[in-house]
Amino acid sequence: SQQGEEDPQALSIQEGENATMNCSYKTSINNLQWYRQNSGRGLVHLILIRSNEREKHSGRLRVTLDTSKKSSSLLITASRAADTASYFCATGNTGGFKTIFGAGTRLFVKA
Amino acid sequence: KAGVTQTPRYLIKTRGQQVTLSCSPISGHRSVSWYQQTPGQGLQFLFEYFSETQRNKGNFPGRFSGRQFSNSRSEMNVSTLELGDSALYLCASSRGDGGAATGELFFGEGSRLTVL
Repeated sequence: SQQGEEDPQALSIQEGENATMNCSYKTSINNLQWYRQNSGRGLVHLILIRSNEREKHSGRLRVTLDTSKKSSSLLITASRAADTASYFCATGNTGGFKTIFGAGTRLFVKA
Repeated sequence: KAGVTQTPRYLIKTRGQQVTLSCSPISGHRSVSWYQQTPGQGLQFLFEYFSETQRNKGNFPGRFSGRQFSNSRSEMNVSTLELGDSALYLCASSRGDGGAATGELFFGEGSRLTVL
């Protein structure tokens, strides 16, 4: 079973708009990560936020983490057509030696 | 620095056969994880190896096995293939020395297996 659940499952926006994706998880975590996957390719790491952090920025990406609600959000500002991809949240659990991925959000940015 | 290399990239097998997939991690990375990705089930964790030891295993039948060599390269094997084993198999490496918690994973491009 998967730890993270992304919402929405799919998102279609215009270039220049912001895209927000949400992730909920079930058990305690050490960190939460976001990855991007272009169609049929390997995943690329975007950002990692630790359980004692609340917000993190990286370029046009902003990630928030609310451990009390067991949820995280990824905001992509000023989206571009090249941002079209699937985005996954993944949790690093304590004592598990494994990273568990959610089902992903498919983002489509129209030029 | 070379990335994670997976071979073969594509392969077609028939039911009942077996397959071996290979993964070469980034130089210096000692942890290798394997995932199965299908449209219906998403990314499912198969197993993780560190310094030739399997530290965790996902909920897959015994037909799925793996190993890691002293140079950190890893292989996974699927025996008695079933149609449902058709998937993209992804390998990821990391330093793996962060204790029980996991950090950033570096993925290969995957091996796409089709079982006929």
